[in-house]
Amino acid sequence: GDSVTQMEGPVTLSEEAFLTINCTYTATGYPSLFWYVQYPGEGLQLLLKATKADDKGSNKGFEATYRKETTSFHLEKGSVQVSDSAVYFCALTFGSSNTGKLIFGQGTTLQVKP
Amino acid sequence: DADVTQTPRNRITKTGKRIMLECSQTKGHDRMYWYRQDPGLGLQLIYYSFDVKDINKGEISDGYSVSRQAQAKFSLSLESAIPNQTALYFCATSDLGRGGELFFGEGSRLTVL
Repeated sequence: GDSVTQMEGPVTLSEEAFLTINCTYTATGYPSLFWYVQYPGEGLQLLLKATKADDKGSNKGFEATYRKETTSFHLEKGSVQVSDSAVYFCALTFGSSNTGKLIFGQGTTLQVKP
Repeated sequence: DADVTQTPRNRITKTGKRIMLECSQTKGHDRMYWYRQDPGLGLQLIYYSFDVKDINKGEISDGYSVSRQAQAKFSLSLESAIPNQTALYFCATSDLGRGGELFFGEGSRLTVL
């Protein structure tokens, strides 16, 4: 079945370091891909998304490119801040014409130290 | 005020008790969802609803039931709670035109002793 796999956490970085969180997916069709972020004590919120191959989603300095050939959607940021400490979830869906439900990866915890 | 509100935010109960988690939204979305979050497992879908008369099971519906009282309200019930239902529960909404984006509540942490 369809699934999402993220790199194991926790990831601990120093402020201003470069961040990569790997995400790969298995899907029978052409899904839309998402990164959600969960700050401590809060619900998930959309960080960025891409709806077709080679699309790049970006927001708040984070970027991810939809790579169909490698079935990947890796999250990157050039210089992390302490405020980026959170849990990051990669997810896929087959869009609004289907159930609209998201399939999530297991989440990756990021801790950024000053 | 939050667009998606969950009550209670925290609840401790005992095995065998009936528990209801409530969700209300002001976004005007037709679609509502209940997810469960466990450490290291991501989020798993319990139930989802496209409108008041359309309710569907997700991957882990056993032991749970739901009620869609109105477009804006979607409740999750545990008829007889058990310890392995201890988890963080999220309600979410979506709009058909938003290409799959979900809007989440802040979560309800349930502990079953």
